[in-house]
Amino acid sequence: GAGVSQTPSNKVTEKGKYVELRCDPISGHTALYWYRQSLGQGPEFLIYFQGTGAADDSGLPNDRFFAVRPEGSVSTLKIQRTERGDSAVYLCASSQGTGLRSRETQYFGPGTRLLVL
Amino acid sequence: AQSVTQPDIHITVSEGASLELRCNYSYGATPYLFWYVQSPGQGLQLLLKYFSGDTLVQGIKGFEAEFKRSQSSFNLRKPSVHWSDAAEYFCAVGAYGGSQGNLIFGKGTKLSVKP
Repeated sequence: GAGVSQTPSNKVTEKGKYVELRCDPISGHTALYWYRQSLGQGPEFLIYFQGTGAADDSGLPNDRFFAVRPEGSVSTLKIQRTERGDSAVYLCASSQGTGLRSRETQYFGPGTRLLVL
Repeated sequence: AQSVTQPDIHITVSEGASLELRCNYSYGATPYLFWYVQSPGQGLQLLLKYFSGDTLVQGIKGFEAEFKRSQSSFNLRKPSVHWSDAAEYFCAVGAYGGSQGNLIFGKGTKLSVKP
C-alpha cells in the first residue's frame, strides 16, 4: 500500500480482556517497529522486527505484551489481561531495513487508540 | 542513556510570525536527529533529519533545523507560520550501535497558531 496502515483505528475493551492490534507496513519494508504513545508523551519504543524475527523487544513493558510477524509483512501486537494503564495510542512504523537502521526514515501509521475500561 | 528534551510543552504564535521549537538531546556520540509532526488523527510525518555534514538542514513545508553540537541542540525553525502548521512536533534521536536504531522521542511541543 501507499503507507503504513493500522487496524482498528480505535479499540475499547474491558480490563482483563485480550486485544490484538494489526499493522500493515509499506510494501517491501523489512523493518517494522511498534511504539506506544501515552497521553502527553512522545512515542516510546516497544519492539522491532527485521523480517520475521523480533530483533529487539527490550521496550515491551511486561510479559502480557508480545508481537508477531509470521510472514515478514503484517504484524500483530497482542496484549493479554489488559489493564487500564495500557490505554494509549499504539503506533506502528516501518523502514526499508536495508541500511544502517538508525539512519533510515521510519514511516508511521495513524495508530490504534486503545481504551481499557 | 540517550534522551531528548523539548522544554516547551505548548507554544502559541500568530500566523505569519516566525517559529522556533527547541530540542536538546543527550547522547554520547554524534546523534542522528529527526523532527516529526503529528496532526490530530494522523500518523507522525517526518519533517527533516540530520546525519552529518551541513549543520543546517532543510525539510518539508518550509521548515529547517540547525544542529549545534556545543549546545546539544537541534532546534526547528520556520520563518513564517501558516495556520495549517498547528500540530504537535516531536524531536527524536536515533541511537546507533549494536542492535539499536530505535527512535527516542521527546515529549513533544504543541503548536497553536493565532489568526
